[in-house]
Amino acid sequence: DGGITQSPKYLFRKEGQNVTLSCEQNLNHDAMYWYRQDPGQGLRLIYYSQIVNDFQKGDIAEGYSVSREKKESFPLTVTSAQKNPTAFYLCASSMGQIHYEQYFGPGTRLTVT
Amino acid sequence: KQEVTQIPAALSVPEGENLVLNCSFTDSAIYNLQWFRQDPGKGLTSLLLIQSSQREQTSGRLNASLDKSSGRSTLYIAASQPGDSATYLCAVFNQGGSEKLVFGKGTKLTVNP
Repeated sequence: DGGITQSPKYLFRKEGQNVTLSCEQNLNHDAMYWYRQDPGQGLRLIYYSQIVNDFQKGDIAEGYSVSREKKESFPLTVTSAQKNPTAFYLCASSMGQIHYEQYFGPGTRLTVT
Repeated sequence: KQEVTQIPAALSVPEGENLVLNCSFTDSAIYNLQWFRQDPGKGLTSLLLIQSSQREQTSGRLNASLDKSSGRSTLYIAASQPGDSATYLCAVFNQGGSEKLVFGKGTKLTVNP
């Protein structure tokens, strides 16, 4: 099946620890994205990548880091510098950045205590 | 700065009713508009993508229209079913400057049997 997978579905961490969220796609898409969703708010863009080995900051990149070493994979690290990391994190991909439909993974719910 | 508004925030209808969900955006300089569905605790499912040059798109019981000049889109759902209950999100892809998807906060739809 073609699609986007995110793991794990639920993640619990103590404050001060870094944590990495996985995102893999087998759609052969060039562009990949990370969004954060909080209750009562629209999705906000954290980082995006249009091509391997290249990525750009979105609206709320502070406290996050990414890498794009392979076309299929775009992991997101939530660092201890992120002040409010508890949220629902969504990964998406598209054939290109502009004009193309974005497809989303199932999400990872991160809880930091 | 692009802002996307979805009104109402929640809507409850009886099964079988035809209904319209509204989306408005402040800047008409967009590449496209995308409608998504989100079930509780899940990722987003793309429903329809309308390019800026198009007026509408149809998929099954769904019809989305776009009036770029007035900054409005509607999602029409025919013969609603309890399985249509979900949150519906609208997002526009901005032109120029900050090229990204900007999301509304969604309309939570409940279809009662």
